[in-house]
Amino acid sequence: GAVVSQHPSWVICKSGTSVKIECRSLDFQATTMFWYRQFPKQSLMLMATSNEGSKATYEQGVEKDKFLINHASLTLSTLTVTSAHPEDSSFYICSARGTTHEQYFGPGTRLTVT
Amino acid sequence: DAKTTQPPSMDCAEGRAANLPCNHSTISGNEYVYWYRQIHSQGPQYIIHGLKNNETNEMASLIITEDRKSSTLILPHATLRDTAVYYCIVRVGGGATNKLIFGTGTLLAVQP
Repeated sequence: GAVVSQHPSWVICKSGTSVKIECRSLDFQATTMFWYRQFPKQSLMLMATSNEGSKATYEQGVEKDKFLINHASLTLSTLTVTSAHPEDSSFYICSARGTTHEQYFGPGTRLTVT
Repeated sequence: DAKTTQPPSMDCAEGRAANLPCNHSTISGNEYVYWYRQIHSQGPQYIIHGLKNNETNEMASLIITEDRKSSTLILPHATLRDTAVYYCIVRVGGGATNKLIFGTGTLLAVQP
């Protein structure tokens, strides 16, 4: 099956700093990528959808100026958490979709803000 | 909001079939039912999907009722490695704009 990677797998940062998470589709071209967030013992919550070369579409309640998404190529999307605070600590998961319209998920990135 | 409801947890004996139910009474005619599972601290893994007909692959079978208001995921011979949260998802939107909205899922615990 299609493979999606994320980097880093975990990151610790200090409050007020920014953190960038990368999502790559390794063996297919992803026309659309999705970013989810998951708090402990909760389900995945869709944050935003991005299409290659276009601005991301954010779900209601997600701050677009805080969670910057860039989808500059068909194999790479990045999520930057700006001015991170402890409440942003979470498990961030990306997924990618190619021409088959199926979604493949990455392994997730654990963010801890101290 | 998710369009599915699932029991929060289920137990299954190792080697037996695990039958996971899902209700999606508001599903539209062109919306697919997807099943993913998530093992602790990992990304979701695709299992199977269907529209109207029953589906089977190497991992599981999907039984969709004739009125499409509910479905059942069947793991024919559950193993300890099948312990995970199983998500039943109705894919919203069509074509290139579709997206997966996760509900609360069912925690399946396979017991030795």
